[in-house]
Amino acid sequence: DGGITQSPKYLFRKEGQNVTLSCEQNLNHDAMYWYRQDPGQGLRLIYYSQIVNDFQKGDIAEGYSVSREKKESFPLTVTSAQKNPTAFYLCASSPYPYRAENTEAFFGQGTRLTVV
Amino acid sequence: KNEVEQSPQNLTAQEGEFITINCSYSVGISALHWLQQHPGGGIVSLFMLSSGKKKHGRLIATINIQEKHSSLHITASHPRDSAVYICAVIRDDKIIFGKGTRLHILP
Repeated sequence: DGGITQSPKYLFRKEGQNVTLSCEQNLNHDAMYWYRQDPGQGLRLIYYSQIVNDFQKGDIAEGYSVSREKKESFPLTVTSAQKNPTAFYLCASSPYPYRAENTEAFFGQGTRLTVV
Repeated sequence: KNEVEQSPQNLTAQEGEFITINCSYSVGISALHWLQQHPGGGIVSLFMLSSGKKKHGRLIATINIQEKHSSLHITASHPRDSAVYICAVIRDDKIIFGKGTRLHILP
């Protein structure tokens, strides 16, 4: 079955360390996204990619980096420059461009990152 | 103004009550998703809608494209339905999320 996989579900890191969150999909989707959620807040867009080897900054890209070397993979690195990295991170994927007959989107389970 | 607005923000109800959560959006969309997030847990996709109505167990989702509005209904609510319910719309170039509705069902 096709799907999107985020790993790990829970992640602990020491302050000052970079950490990379994994997101893999086998849905042949062109577009992939990373979102951040803080307690009691909505999901905010960090980065998105609509094609391999290309990605765009979202609303809160500072302190994060991404790569899209393969269609199925869109890893997110939380760098030491991110001031408040503790949060819930969600990956999603969808076809692109959207067509009326194919508007699915799939969502990962999320990764809860805690920096101590 | 947010492009996706959910109401209410918080909802507490007694077990067995009929629950309605609303989502309004201001942009043209291709589809809309309803998602569920349990405390400390991950995200589960409940429905994807581009028109009409869908039903799964005690959950019903409707969408009115002309009015730019969707509702999620829960019949015979149960404490295990307590979660945050999130509306997400697929616009032409990205997915936009509402802030979520926190639902608490009391036994």
